[in-house]
Amino acid sequence: DTAVSQTPKYLVTQMGNDKSIKCEQNLGHDTMYWYKQDSKKFLKIMFSYNNKELIINETVPNRFSPKSPDKAHLNLHINSLELGDSAVYFCASSQGEWGSPLHFGNGTRLTVT
Amino acid sequence: DQQVKQNSPSLSVQEGRISILNCDYTNSMFDYFLWYKKYPAEGPTFLISISSIKDKNEDGRFTVFLNKSAKHLSLHIVPSQPGDSAVYFCAASRLGSSYKLIFGSGTRLLVRP
Repeated sequence: DTAVSQTPKYLVTQMGNDKSIKCEQNLGHDTMYWYKQDSKKFLKIMFSYNNKELIINETVPNRFSPKSPDKAHLNLHINSLELGDSAVYFCASSQGEWGSPLHFGNGTRLTVT
Repeated sequence: DQQVKQNSPSLSVQEGRISILNCDYTNSMFDYFLWYKKYPAEGPTFLISISSIKDKNEDGRFTVFLNKSAKHLSLHIVPSQPGDSAVYFCAASRLGSSYKLIFGSGTRLLVRP
């Protein structure tokens, strides 16, 4: 029974295309996140939503737009993909309370050619 | 600006011995620290955490030590088992209006049978 699931697992696309990654959690958590793992393996936060409200928006290009239709879903849409967007994107959720651990999905490996 | 640093990219230990993974941080405002474990093609999973009001937290074979004056924490695994072979991420956060984790770049642990 997957707690945080994201699709697709792999995404290969060409520069300039628009793509979406979907994320769903069945843990009943109030807060969801998108993290990006870059080539240096750092996991960096991109966005966080609490009960469908955007609460964290790091310095991310406007081409990235998160959308949360309800508190169990947080999708990531990327416009005009660039080579530098190639990375592994992880969705996560938590209770949102300070100190509560994040539960991560298995990641989406995005390759832009 | 790497606020959380894991300076050892890899570590190899013999099964049954102790594994010590290290993490340094630069932001003295951090007051909560977590360790995550990651297997290939999976998302990070929460392992253990420690608040800045403590200097040690133990959970079975895993113990985390915090030295605030040195801005250093370590994860001890004893005895190490082959199934512990994974990438370990250190993460930190500070109490504030939003809850986000700042991750290190990870240390790959190999436990040799």
